[in-house]
Formats: sequence, structure tokens, C-alpha cells
Amino acid sequence: DARVTQTPRHKVTEMGQEVTMRCQPILGHNTVFWYRQTMMQGLELLAYFRNRAPLDDSGMPKDRFSAEMPDATLATLKIQPSEPRDSAVYFCASGQTGQGSYEQYFGPGTRLTVT
Amino acid sequence: DQQVKQNSPSLSVQEGRISILNCDYTNSMFDYFLWYKKYPAEGPTFLISISSIKDKNEDGRFTVFLNKSAKHLSLHIVPSQPGDSAVYFCAANNFNKFYFGSGTKLNVKP
Repeated sequence: DARVTQTPRHKVTEMGQEVTMRCQPILGHNTVFWYRQTMMQGLELLAYFRNRAPLDDSGMPKDRFSAEMPDATLATLKIQPSEPRDSAVYFCASGQTGQGSYEQYFGPGTRLTVT
Repeated sequence: DQQVKQNSPSLSVQEGRISILNCDYTNSMFDYFLWYKKYPAEGPTFLISISSIKDKNEDGRFTVFLNKSAKHLSLHIVPSQPGDSAVYFCAANNFNKFYFGSGTKLNVKP
């Protein structure tokens, strides 16, 4: 049963600290997405990669957020320095897009609390 | 500027009746629409989708309707079951970039 996994599931940190969230996409999927869920905005797209290349990161605050895919089995989202307004649930999703398929498979999310 | 909007944050329906969840969008370039279902402490799961060249897609108890002229999408669940209680997100695609609504929390009462 292939699933997207995310670690950690929960993270509490103090303002100013670095936070790294990790995602293992489903093997064989060519596209990885990072989303943030907040009460006000719903699901916001932060960044996405296709075949490990970043295609769009316009949803991310560039000064503090960075997203990378060091290899096909790992995607990371880093916040440095973190701020209380970054508190949200961060979801990673993967899919086999670009060939008439648009379905995304989501991980369970990382709940981030910045105090 | 939200391109996909779900204006009803919540909906309560009696078991066995129809649930209708609505979604409006602003970008006429969207070519594919999806509905996702989300339970607490889990990621969203894909439910049903529709291409912009169609106006209806049905899968069991779930039917999605697309009205392009009104830029309106709806999800019908018939009959509703208590297990359908969840948050439902609509999403729209433009060049493989996805835009999600803010979600509607459905409560199906036994």
C-alpha cells in the first residue's frame, strides 16, 4: 500500500529556530507538492517539483522558506528563521502528473507550532 | 486573491438525504477540477474529478457537476452517510498548478 510519508508529524519550536520538514513521495511519482493549511486560507500551494526540478515556488516567502529534492525519495521544506505566523499544518503530496492524470496523494501532514 | 472559493464553511445533512457542496472559481483557464475529502489528523484523499470538457461525472454515490458559464462546481452525495462527515476541498488545475478552496465541513447526522 504505497503512501506519502512525512516527518515529523508534530513540531513545536521557538521563534527564530530552524525547522526542517521531510517527505517521502510515492515511488514512481514524478511530481511533488508542498502545501500549507491554515484556518483562513485553506490549502495554499507553496512549491512543487517535477522530476526533482523546482517548477514553481511563488507561494513561498522566499526570505525564510526553501524547498529542495535532494533525491527522488526525499523532499524537504525548510523554514529559517521560523515565526509564529508560520504555525500551520504542512502537507506534502505526490502524483504522476503531465500525462492526463491530476490526482495527488497527500501525506498525513506536519503540524508546526512556533511559539 | 483566491481563485477557488468555497463559501459555505459548514453543512449539516440528515443521513440518507442529499449533500450538495458548492465551489466557485474565477479563472476560465482551469482545465480540470477535483474534490478531496479530509478527515481530522489525516491528509486529503482524492474523491472525484471532472475535466473542463464535461459537465458531469458520476462515481457511485458521488456526482460532480460543472457549469463553466457560471464558473461553478458542485459535489452531490446521495445518499449521505455518517462516514461522509469530513472536510471537503475543491481544487482546480491550470498547467499542473493546483488551487484549493478553503473547505466545507460536512456533518451527516444519523
